[in-house]
Amino acid sequence: EDQVTQSPEALRLQEGESSSLNCSYTVSGLRGLFWYRQDPGKGPEFLFTLYSAGEEKEKERLKATLTKKESFLHITAPKPEDSATYLCAVHSNSGYALNFGKGTSLLVTP
Amino acid sequence: DAGITQSPRHKVTETGTPVTLRCHQTENHRYMYWYRQDPGHGLRLIHYSYGVKDTDKGEVSDGYSVSRSKTEDFLLTLESATSSQTSVYFCAISESTPGASNQPQHFGDGTRLSIL
Repeated sequence: EDQVTQSPEALRLQEGESSSLNCSYTVSGLRGLFWYRQDPGKGPEFLFTLYSAGEEKEKERLKATLTKKESFLHITAPKPEDSATYLCAVHSNSGYALNFGKGTSLLVTP
Repeated sequence: DAGITQSPRHKVTETGTPVTLRCHQTENHRYMYWYRQDPGHGLRLIHYSYGVKDTDKGEVSDGYSVSRSKTEDFLLTLESATSSQTSVYFCAISESTPGASNQPQHFGDGTRLSIL
């Protein structure tokens, strides 16, 4: 059975304090790993797709990396507007569904 | 933003009543999905559709049915709502299967459903 575990559950950073969020996964054949951002009262917003170990994607202050067992979402010099819940999801050979982790709630304070 | 509209956005109803949630898309995407999101759980797939009149069950399908008579509309029905179905429901769409050709799922803003 596919499993996705995100850590930490919650993270509080000062503005400008860089950090990383972790997504560990166990799947039967990874077809894609997805990162989403979710703001309160909104649906998840797509950020990145990673397909193979060693792949990296960047967008503004965010950089996602992938290994055979986990993915990291690095946040460089975060701003308060980066506060949100970040979700990781995997798609495996087991079907159409995305298997989501429970998310990391990020709060960036001025 | 992907053209996805969920209705209603909020609904309060009583146990035992039927409830239908609607998802409407303007992207002409083939795949549509219904998820529920609950505290302590990740998003969980209820049902999905891979074409008009083509649907299948997800991880938590008990107590739910779906219908898709047009490409743009995907309906989720709770035949007899129970308190355990109180949740936030999200619709998602994708042009192709997840992980294929850089085509992720895009989500609507959800329906908050409370069953008393």
